[in-house]
Amino acid sequence: GEDVEQSLFLSVREGDSSVINCTYTDSSSTYLYWYKQEPGAGLQLLTYIFSNMDMKQDQRLTVLLNKKDKHLSLRIADTQTGDSAIYFCVQGGSQGNLIFGKGTKLSVKP
Amino acid sequence: NAGVTQTPKFRVLKTGQSMTLLCAQDMNHEYMYWYRQDPGMGLRLIHYSVGEGTTAKGEVPDGYNVSRLKKQNFLLGLESAAPSQTSVYFCASSYDRRGYTFGSGTRLTVV
Repeated sequence: GEDVEQSLFLSVREGDSSVINCTYTDSSSTYLYWYKQEPGAGLQLLTYIFSNMDMKQDQRLTVLLNKKDKHLSLRIADTQTGDSAIYFCVQGGSQGNLIFGKGTKLSVKP
Repeated sequence: NAGVTQTPKFRVLKTGQSMTLLCAQDMNHEYMYWYRQDPGMGLRLIHYSVGEGTTAKGEVPDGYNVSRLKKQNFLLGLESAAPSQTSVYFCASSYDRRGYTFGSGTRLTVV
């Protein structure tokens, strides 16, 4: 079935890099996404990567895709306290929907 | 340009009561989705629609019904609310099933 797995917690110090990893099951997904959710808020699309790409960089964000291992990662450079949130790894599902991981809670310590 | 609007934002129901959540989008999107989010979980798909007049079941459809009578609106109904339906409900729409716009959520508590 379609599933997305990611670690539940990550704690870093302000200024360090954060790396959030996930694995997914459906190799036919065309797009893979990273969404951010702040406490009590909705979902914000951070970035996405097309399945025929290996890497995408967008300012402080770097997405790496290893299609062979079905592994996706999100690197946040120079992590700030404002980056504290839950980050969801998401794959496109066969029904045109989105399959969400359980989310990684990123805590940034000053 | 409001994007995706969900109403209401908060609601408390008693077990057995019914209610309808409204999702409205003004982007002329064909695809619309209802998800629920429970603590420590990602979003799970309840029902979705690929166009006006169509609906389909998602991963967790039991206890819910939906209707898409107008292209811009996607309604989620709870006929007889249960405590297990306490959750945050998110609506999303998409033009091409690549980019998705989410509403701000409806926090529902069933007591």
